[in-house]
Amino acid sequence: KAGVTQTPRYLIKTRGQQVTLSCSPISGHRSVSWYQQTPGQGLQFLFEYFSETQRNKGNFPGRFSGRQFSNSRSEMNVSTLELGDSALYLCASRRDKAANNEQFFGPGTRLTVL
Amino acid sequence: AQKVTQAQTEISVVEKEDVTLDCVYETRDTTYYLFWYKQPPSGELVFLIRRNSFDEQNEISGRYSWNFQKSTSSFNFTITASQVVDSAVYFCALYMNYGGSQGNLIFGKGTKLSVKP
Repeated sequence: KAGVTQTPRYLIKTRGQQVTLSCSPISGHRSVSWYQQTPGQGLQFLFEYFSETQRNKGNFPGRFSGRQFSNSRSEMNVSTLELGDSALYLCASRRDKAANNEQFFGPGTRLTVL
Repeated sequence: AQKVTQAQTEISVVEKEDVTLDCVYETRDTTYYLFWYKQPPSGELVFLIRRNSFDEQNEISGRYSWNFQKSTSSFNFTITASQVVDSAVYFCALYMNYGGSQGNLIFGKGTKLSVKP
């Protein structure tokens, strides 16, 4: 079974631009979560989607948004990029929203904002 | 508040040494899950283990073992006879079960393990 895939793997943008990252979950998984990883703040939860609905959101500004499609694929968007948005963005999928389901992570998208 | 603390930022050992990675968590909830993930240089987080708050049995998987103690709010991870391939950053994480399962993983800052030949 294929794992979680994320595209693109690397991205370079400039301040003020916007960016869209994509995540395809493991087949049959309906929940997708996004995390931001930076050297200073570590791994921080962004949001989780289940059945096209946002279930939970972390403490990030409104510039960070996401959505999930009917095939469970998810995208996250960051508008008006800032230097501090440079990070590794990780997507994770799990079978459903039950608490005991482990999350499987993708390889991440490394975003650099210049 | 919920929190995960991994006090060891970096650990360096020589191959075949045993090493223990510490994890201390804070939560007021009675139902929760604890996880360990490994992050090799490639960046992908690899799931290692899940433990729920009602199961304090220790677990062994090959060279890996985990010690869960609710009395001290700790979930430590031991690698026996470490190998160079074990070099990675290891994360401990806490998952809250808010009756509806609206939760997310709260990660520690990670421990970077370097195993030298």
